[in-house]
Amino acid sequence: LAKTTQPISMDSYEGQEVNITCSHNNIATNDYITWYQQFPSQGPRFIIQGYKTKVTNEVASLFIPADRKSSTLSLPRVSLSDTAVYYCLVGLLGSARQLTFGSGTQLTVLP
Amino acid sequence: GAGVSQSPSNKVTEKGKDVELRCDPISGHTALYWYRQSLGQGLEFLIYFQGNSAPDKSGLPSDRFSAERTGGSVSTLTIQRTQQEDSAVYLCASSSWDIPSSYEQYFGPGTRLTVT
Repeated sequence: LAKTTQPISMDSYEGQEVNITCSHNNIATNDYITWYQQFPSQGPRFIIQGYKTKVTNEVASLFIPADRKSSTLSLPRVSLSDTAVYYCLVGLLGSARQLTFGSGTQLTVLP
Repeated sequence: GAGVSQSPSNKVTEKGKDVELRCDPISGHTALYWYRQSLGQGLEFLIYFQGNSAPDKSGLPSDRFSAERTGGSVSTLTIQRTQQEDSAVYLCASSSWDIPSSYEQYFGPGTRLTVT
């Protein structure tokens, strides 16, 4: 089971770009990397998923280097509403191996 | 369409009593997951159902915990002889395995269980 390591917390200011890095040194060949966002008193919400290089959607970008031992979630121009916990998951899609959320990163966006 | 729903939203029970928590997944989703989240902690995987396959129960913390999924849809998580350490938010999620889906999990709002 691929173990992930993320910073416990990060602070940023409105309008800035935020990059949250996740380390996963023992990622397996077929593992995917998925990021979720969780607001207080709500279930997590899917943000983005990737296997290698770069993935971009309407809310974030995911950068994965060639060795895939880490990944970086990039949130452009954050707002106060982006204050949440962000989780990095690594595992085989559709298997229990994907289902270890870890402690996540508490992002606080300041005005 | 409707998302994942869970009931009750809050449950307070006395130590030693049994509780049942319900999850209604998104219609057509073949995979269903249960997690629990203690205050200020990450999510702890409990059990995973996929179609008609035997569930993956590897995350259940003790034999007091069980879950079933009837007709490939609604799921019930049962905790017998509840203990105070069972107090947590219990989250249910479902996902579709249709290609080219990313197997994104859609979470319900959770059931907050308090054991007194």
